[in-house]
Amino acid sequence: QKEVEQNSGPLSVPEGAIASLNCTYSDRGSQSFFWYRQYSGKSPELIMSIYSNGDKEDGRFTAQLNKASQYVSLLIRDSQPSDSATYLCAVRADMRFGAGTRLTVKP
Amino acid sequence: EAQVTQNPRYLITVTGKKLTVTCSQNMNHEYMSWYRQDPGLGLRQIYYSMNVEVTDKGDVPEGYKVSRKEKRNFPLILESPSPNQTSLYFCASSLSGGAGSYEQYFGPGTRLTVT
Repeated sequence: QKEVEQNSGPLSVPEGAIASLNCTYSDRGSQSFFWYRQYSGKSPELIMSIYSNGDKEDGRFTAQLNKASQYVSLLIRDSQPSDSATYLCAVRADMRFGAGTRLTVKP
Repeated sequence: EAQVTQNPRYLITVTGKKLTVTCSQNMNHEYMSWYRQDPGLGLRQIYYSMNVEVTDKGDVPEGYKVSRKEKRNFPLILESPSPNQTSLYFCASSLSGGAGSYEQYFGPGTRLTVT
């Protein structure tokens, strides 16, 4: 069974801190990885995509991919209350999503 | 504006009454899919379509049907809805599917309640 796993949280960090979200996957053939943000009752929106090992930075967000260890992570620097949402990891090869990690950023 | 649209956004129905949730995208995407989202279970794929007339089952296809007669439309059909199909449904589209594929764009969601 191919799986994508995330810590369900909730993860709580103070405003201005770094939030670290992790995701592991079981299919070694996976090539595309995505992080989505979902506010309560809303549809998921893409934050980051990553295809190669290493880090990819976009503003306050950094995605990290390690295919050998089969994990992908998302770092959010200078966390803001508006970052409070559920973050979904998606592994594209078989369209699977993790259950999501709920992040709360406290002012 | 590039978008995925779903209708209706909210629906309350009774057990056994056939319903269709429409999904349309204007981005000329080949790949389309349907998900349901339930508390604690995340997004689970119901059906997907790699292109016109090509559909396949996802993880939770029981009780659902789909069709892809046109590239832009991918309706979800519940022929005999049951209360366990009460959920939040999302349609999504992507430029293409498969291993080297692209990010998905999601519709606004359809909240379905079956009583």
